[in-house]
Amino acid sequence: KNEVEQSPQNLTAQEGEFITINCSYSVGISALHWLQQHPGGGIVSLFMLSSGKKKHGRLIATINIQEKHSSLHITASHPRDSAVYICAVERGSNYKLTFGKGTLLTVNP
Amino acid sequence: DAGVIQSPRHEVTEMGQEVTLRCKPISGHDYLFWYRQTMMRGLELLIYFNNNVPIDDSGMPEDRFSAKMPNASFSTLKIQPSEPRDSAVYFCASSSPLGTQYFGPGTRLLVL
Repeated sequence: KNEVEQSPQNLTAQEGEFITINCSYSVGISALHWLQQHPGGGIVSLFMLSSGKKKHGRLIATINIQEKHSSLHITASHPRDSAVYICAVERGSNYKLTFGKGTLLTVNP
Repeated sequence: DAGVIQSPRHEVTEMGQEVTLRCKPISGHDYLFWYRQTMMRGLELLIYFNNNVPIDDSGMPEDRFSAKMPNASFSTLKIQPSEPRDSAVYFCASSSPLGTQYFGPGTRLLVL
């Protein structure tokens, strides 16, 4: 079993829909990261969080440390949100990231 | 700042050849990371440096892989000899302590 599991693997939505991507992990962590990888391949860090919730524009990330679970929400989804969303966990203070396999999101107009 | 710079962006080589990938981190960042991404295994950390010193190289697949960081503004990842299974996208990222990692555009390597 992978240390970091994401669901769903693939997600197709219509423009305007509310999107939720889930990430579960099996180890103790110091932080959790959400990354976005565009079709061209570039990777952008969206959030780094260790507790509670963070919001940036239409994106919201939450984490429940006790349940070892995080969610990434996208409100009012848009075709430009189409990308692979990757969850990664950081253990201790050693800055090493362990990655999930990613969720491929396609938002249709 | 121009962000993390990687070169080359694409590399096609033949099995057995030496491959050198280059990375220039964001100025002022103390940490530099090398990652590999494949369809089968996703993103994997290969090695990371702090203040030019390798901290953890447990992700380096085997002795054919080596990485150096001779100064704060330059790092290399070398594969010698290269094999077809090394074909992947190699990303470099940099960060400040406890900060967000900023990724370079990646080098797409194809070993024939």
